[in-house]
Amino acid sequence: EVQLVESGGGLVQPGRSLKLSCTASGFTFDDYAFHWVRQAPGKGLEWVSGISWSSGSIHYADSVKGRFTISRDNAKNSLYLQMNSLRAEDTALYYCAKDIRPVYRTSPFDSWGQGTLVTVSS
Amino acid sequence: SYVLTQPPSVSVAPGQTARITCGGSNIGTYSVHWYQQKPGQVPVLVVSDDSDRPSGLPERFSGSNSGSTATLTINRVEAEDEADYYCQVWDSSPEYHVVFGGGTKLTVL
Repeated sequence: EVQLVESGGGLVQPGRSLKLSCTASGFTFDDYAFHWVRQAPGKGLEWVSGISWSSGSIHYADSVKGRFTISRDNAKNSLYLQMNSLRAEDTALYYCAKDIRPVYRTSPFDSWGQGTLVTVSS
Repeated sequence: SYVLTQPPSVSVAPGQTARITCGGSNIGTYSVHWYQQKPGQVPVLVVSDDSDRPSGLPERFSGSNSGSTATLTINRVEAEDEADYYCQVWDSSPEYHVVFGGGTKLTVL
């Protein structure tokens, strides 16, 4: 059974940093690309970033480019999101999502974690 | 940047057919994916690549895509289908990124 478990969320002041983690199990982690998708309270889905199986392809939404860094450790079956210079508008539930392919181009996300809540407030 | 437009809400009686649209410029040239998100739950893929249904999903769910509109169709709607539905595509201009529609709240009357 595919399992994705996010952690690392919490309350943080504007301008500070936070690092999210997603630990995967139940499948071969390095066979797939991964993504972070967020959802602000009561709002829709917003893609944040994606990373291919080898970390050779990485992309970001304009809203986080230059502030967030996605990474993965295939030996630890883990995905990460380093979030710097956080803003109030980054407040959201952050989901880890598994791609159906090792390199994304047009593919959907077939498994999602339960999410970890990030609240940016003073 | 590319924009996907969905109606905020669609209402349908049980047993009827629900059609949820997703509009975008030449969306027919994109691969469209659809997700269902029930209250308090995580999104679930219900249609991929315009019209493919993941294994285990009811055959009542289907999709189509042509011209400027992609459509998710739910036949014989049941109360359990009440949820938010999101369409999604990949855009490569100027760099690869995902675009989600704003979401449609399906209400089963």
